[in-house]
Amino acid sequence: AQSVAQPEDQVNVAEGNPLTVKCTYSVSGNPYLFWYVQYPNRGLQFLLKYITGDNLVKGSYGFEAEFNKSQTSFHLKKPSALVSDSALYFCAVSPPGGSYIPTFGRGTSLIVHP
Amino acid sequence: DGGITQSPKYLFRKEGQNVTLSCEQNLNHDAMYWYRQDPGQGLRLIYYSQIVNDFQKGDIAEGYSVSREKKESFPLTVTSAQKNPTAFYLCASSISGEGQPQHFGDGTRLSIL
Repeated sequence: AQSVAQPEDQVNVAEGNPLTVKCTYSVSGNPYLFWYVQYPNRGLQFLLKYITGDNLVKGSYGFEAEFNKSQTSFHLKKPSALVSDSALYFCAVSPPGGSYIPTFGRGTSLIVHP
Repeated sequence: DGGITQSPKYLFRKEGQNVTLSCEQNLNHDAMYWYRQDPGQGLRLIYYSQIVNDFQKGDIAEGYSVSREKKESFPLTVTSAQKNPTAFYLCASSISGEGQPQHFGDGTRLSIL
């Protein structure tokens, strides 16, 4: 069975500083990995995904994520945080083959301070 | 514009009452999903459907029922058997197959009167 861990419930960062939101996963085989963002009282919005190829994946709104197979991690990053980036971020993993149903992490609340 | 529409945005249920949450998509996606979101618990899968007239239970299906009579529609009924239905319910859809991201509606918040 696959699983996802987001070890931080909350991440605080000052505007203009780089941000990292952590995600580790467990799955058999080569995973498909996703990041989503959720603003209050809204649904999740897709940011980026890793399937294969380059370990650094670029996505929407200046976000990127680094896939590290040996550490089974897929951390979300942004070079310069904006106050408007404050939201809830979810990492998800789905296995190769089979039902491809994703498993989501519990979410990390990102707070960017002016 | 293509997307997923969930209605109503807010819903109140009385004790012993069944309520139905609507989910409609015009993305021509084969797969549709229902999730329940509770604070600090992430998203938990209730039911999913990969094709019309077929659906599968997720991790927390007890007290819920669904139907998939049309490709664009996947309504969720919260029955009186669900003893703790207060939550934020999210519907999603995707292209069938590996590595496809999900598209989400803006949710329905269900509360008990």
